[in-house]
Amino acid sequence: GQNIDQPTEMTATEGAIVQINCTYQTSGFNGLFWYQQHAGEAPTFLSYNVLDGLEEKGRFSSFLSRSKGYSYLLLKELQMKDSASYLCAVPPNTDKLIFGTGTRLQVFP
Amino acid sequence: DTGVSQNPRHKITKRGQNVTFRCDPISEHNRLYWYRQTLGQGPEFLTYFQNEAQLEKSRLLSDRFSAERPKGSFSTLEIQRTEQGDSAMYLCASSSLAGNYEQYFGPGTRLTVT
Repeated sequence: GQNIDQPTEMTATEGAIVQINCTYQTSGFNGLFWYQQHAGEAPTFLSYNVLDGLEEKGRFSSFLSRSKGYSYLLLKELQMKDSASYLCAVPPNTDKLIFGTGTRLQVFP
Repeated sequence: DTGVSQNPRHKITKRGQNVTFRCDPISEHNRLYWYRQTLGQGPEFLTYFQNEAQLEKSRLLSDRFSAERPKGSFSTLEIQRTEQGDSAMYLCASSSLAGNYEQYFGPGTRLTVT
């Protein structure tokens, strides 16, 4: 089966750093995606990791450990506009993405 | 705008009616996907096309659901005899075979069945 786990909700303060974890068990693995989704809107691409290690892109970084089936998304210098759901997704093969339930992040002033 | 577009954005229908949604993918993308998302959940895969061929259908896609992509460009998703449980956001995404499996999502069609 396919299983992707991430926390349901997290809260943080503006300017802080937050780490959103994701663990996965899938029949195949072709990398791991993080998407951001604001309420009522489509998911938008944040990052893609296929090799182990940290990928940094501005305020957002994503880490992958394939041996542990684990990834995290790190958000620095949080802003109010970062309040959104963050979706972890794995393509087990070339045809579809399997998503976690998403982590709803609320940023407070 | 060269992104994925979906129409309509919102649809309210009565139980038992048929509805049809349209998705226009990014023009050079040959793969097109349909997902369903309910409140508080991540998107769930429904089906996907490579060009005009429908290559996989999820078990979530009951026989009341049908999808087409007749010329390998736009796609339609039809739900017959809608039920209240069909209320959800229906997302379309497209990708290129030459890409890194990244899928680009449209804004979605929110269906409410009363």
